[in-house]
Amino acid sequence: QLQLQESGPGLVKASETLSLTCTVFGGSITSGSYWGWIRQPPGKGLEWIGTIYYSGSTYYNPSLKSRVTISVDTSKSQFSLNLSSVTAADTAVYYCAGQRGGNDAFDVWGQGTMVVASS
Amino acid sequence: DIVMTQSPDSLAVSLGERATINCESSQSVLYSSNNENYLAWYQQKPGQPPKLLIYWASTRESGVPDRFSGSGSGTDFTLTISSLQAEDVAVYYCQQYYTTPFTFGPGTKVDIK
Repeated sequence: QLQLQESGPGLVKASETLSLTCTVFGGSITSGSYWGWIRQPPGKGLEWIGTIYYSGSTYYNPSLKSRVTISVDTSKSQFSLNLSSVTAADTAVYYCAGQRGGNDAFDVWGQGTMVVASS
Repeated sequence: DIVMTQSPDSLAVSLGERATINCESSQSVLYSSNNENYLAWYQQKPGQPPKLLIYWASTRESGVPDRFSGSGSGTDFTLTISSLQAEDVAVYYCQQYYTTPFTFGPGTKVDIK
């Protein structure tokens, strides 16, 4: 059964870069699925950050595009998120998730990791 | 961006009674070439990630109890829990995946009356 696990620092200083990694277990990252990042500020709703295909094709939320880079390392079955110049508004639980296709629902989710952007 | 709205913000339903959540998109999410609505529903319990319940507006994800059903087309959609169980207490989100940026509704909190 496919499982995802986020990893990375729980605390990032304001103006620095948030870096998270998602490891795919129990399946192949090159299976045809797309891989995404979604975040949820405390007590608030869900925001899609971006999606990557194993080939490296990426789709970003325009609201974050200038600060976001998503990359994939198929040899490690991992995909990563970099979010630069963070502020307190970037404090959130960050989830990685999988989509069966590029325009598809998110059918598998990691447990999420809380990241606090602190000054 | 396609804006997703949900109503109500919250509702309380007696055990065994029906719960109905509405979702509206600011533009149609029906793709004419395949006649599919690019609309999903998720359930999120406290401290947990969202769980996919319904995709293509009305297709239940594997393992999801049949008391959950989705309906609607175009811009108006409904999630129905036919007989509310204690374990259904959660926040429910709709999401469009018709076009990027993928967007979610603000959520509807369901409690027991």
